[in-house]
Amino acid sequence: GAVVSQHPSWVICKSGTSVKIECRSLDFQATTMFWYRQFPKQSLMLMATSNEGSKATYEQGVEKDKFLINHASLTLSTLTVTSAHPEDSSFYICSAPRAAGGGYTFGSGTRLTVV
Amino acid sequence: GENVEQHPSTLSVQEGDSAVIKCTYSDSASNYFPWYKQELGKRPQLIIDIRSNVGEKKDQRIAVTLNKTAKHFSLHITETQPEDSAVYFCAATSDYKLSFGAGTTVTVRA
Repeated sequence: GAVVSQHPSWVICKSGTSVKIECRSLDFQATTMFWYRQFPKQSLMLMATSNEGSKATYEQGVEKDKFLINHASLTLSTLTVTSAHPEDSSFYICSAPRAAGGGYTFGSGTRLTVV
Repeated sequence: GENVEQHPSTLSVQEGDSAVIKCTYSDSASNYFPWYKQELGKRPQLIIDIRSNVGEKKDQRIAVTLNKTAKHFSLHITETQPEDSAVYFCAATSDYKLSFGAGTTVTVRA
């Protein structure tokens, strides 16, 4: 149980366009979703925390107008990278805390390449 | 916020030997400490975790120790096998947020 489905798994987009990444909780209600970014050979860095029905909170240094987060339902959180640039190319991954047993469940990640 | 430091950044061990990775954390309120194994382009895979009310936990060849006073925790892998080669991350939870260490690339030499 506690599965998070993330789509797309990879995407290539042109510089200046926007890309939406979706994370769905399949068998539980995710009131909170964490969004991470991971550059090659680096660690997972928390970008923002989305909470169902309220505004997302962003970590220091993360532009909220560039990385739009929406958590409109208990099963869906989305991250939109607006006006993407090559430096936004990275591995984006979502994670939700699990109520039963604790811990966290991760999406499968999205490899974004901006050309 | 929580700051997690992880050492070493790379670790090469002979097959059959033990591997130890150490992490420290800054927030004394942190209460959950998972360890993840990550393969390239994949999601982190939980291999073991420990909570702040426990000092040690073992699962077959893998063990984790926690010293709350010193705010450090360690991963121990015994009898290493080639399939243990991967990147390992420690993490700590503060206020529900999971903060990761920088990662350790473990290479098991046959």
